[in-house]
Amino acid sequence: QVQLVQSGAEVKRPGSSVKVSCKASGGTFSSYSISWVRQAPGQGLEWMGGILPVFGTVNYAQKFQGRVTITADKSTSTAYMELSSLRSEDTAMYYCARGLRSAYDVDAFDIWGQGTMVTVSS
Amino acid sequence: EIVLTQSPGTLSLSPGERATLSCRASQSVSSNYLAWYQQKPGQAPRLLIYGAFTRATGIPDRFSGSGSGTDFTLTISRLEPEDFAVYYCQQYGSSPLTFGGGTKVEIK
Repeated sequence: QVQLVQSGAEVKRPGSSVKVSCKASGGTFSSYSISWVRQAPGQGLEWMGGILPVFGTVNYAQKFQGRVTITADKSTSTAYMELSSLRSEDTAMYYCARGLRSAYDVDAFDIWGQGTMVTVSS
Repeated sequence: EIVLTQSPGTLSLSPGERATLSCRASQSVSSNYLAWYQQKPGQAPRLLIYGAFTRATGIPDRFSGSGSGTDFTLTISRLEPEDFAVYYCQQYGSSPLTFGGGTKVEIK
């Protein structure tokens, strides 16, 4: 049974950066995409981007291009999302989610992490 | 970018009733790559349906998906108490992946 376990909650100052991790256990890591989806308090879901570790291909939503970096470490089965130039509007729950099908870089998400709350406040 | 519009915003129903949720896309969804998720307060979303009509593993058969092109529907045949939640559609046929704004199914 594959599980995604994310790093803990963060409080950041405006203008700083945050890096959230997502460790996979119990299954194959490299051949399934990992995406990052965020949800502001009381709001809907927003896809930020994703990575397919086996090929190293990365896709970003244009809204976050230049501000987000998604990476993966195959040796530790861990994906990372770093968001820079933080502002108050980035306050949200950040989820990692695994793609449904092997070797597809964009997909539906069948396994989700527990979420990491990032609060941006001065 | 494909914009997904869900309706209604809120659905007030009683247990045992049928729920019909709509998701309309601004352009045709490639290969009908349309998914539905359920989200309860304080929890991550859960995949219900993918490929417009295929139930994910472990999802009860009271949940069904239909539609193609730009119009999709999630139907819950008889609402159970645990089905009251927010439901999101998502298209994954083209990048960027996009979600609808959600439909809240609440107890009447």
